Amino acid sequence: DTEVTQTPKHLVMGMTNKKSLKCEQHMGHRAMYWYKQKAKKPPELMFVYSYEKLSINESVPSRFSPECPNSSLLNLHLHALQPEDSALYLCASSQDSVGGVDTEAFFGQGTRLTVV
Amino acid sequence: GEDVEQSLFLSVREGDSSVINCTYTDSSSTYLYWYKQEPGAGLQLLTYIFSNMDMKQDQRLTVLLNKKDKHLSLRIADTQTGDSAIYFCAEREGYSTLTFGKGTMLLVSP
Repeated sequence: DTEVTQTPKHLVMGMTNKKSLKCEQHMGHRAMYWYKQKAKKPPELMFVYSYEKLSINESVPSRFSPECPNSSLLNLHLHALQPEDSALYLCASSQDSVGGVDTEAFFGQGTRLTVV
Repeated sequence: GEDVEQSLFLSVREGDSSVINCTYTDSSSTYLYWYKQEPGAGLQLLTYIFSNMDMKQDQRLTVLLNKKDKHLSLRIADTQTGDSAIYFCAEREGYSTLTFGKGTMLLVSP
């Protein structure tokens, strides 16, 4: 099983709403990532969790709040977003965030978020 | 900082070979990756190569690495319409996270 599952696939939310994106993997990976991808652009790293602890926050605004309840799950809580936050949000996981033999990062299919 | 460059667009005919090129600036890059992204989908890891290798072949895919010129290429043999997608080159140095190129859109026509 090399699958990273993200839900929902699509989400439309208003600027005053609170919503959450979910990501799950059962590969035993200890590093999980959130990326944001705008159309025709490469993914941009937002957060990295390593062994359930936040290890990297790429200066992401506080209206995005990550959470790692356990080693298989990663959430991204959204509150008071702006229309420019509309994008594809990708979750990824890897064996760990430290260099090693198993350094492949596996990506989910993403959540297409539209903020209205 | 690290920089990864790719040409933005490539068009080929079905059955031809496709070659997608990538250059990177970080001489400390340890791992180099190719990801495929179909419209509206996530990224699919196609293959990766360690910096101490020159070539890696996996079925229709051949990765060539010229470490001296910091040049990476992905060759797809017998390209099919299902290969139409955006291909991202990415590099990682040791413990760091991935740095992606801007992506090359491959269009395969019948």
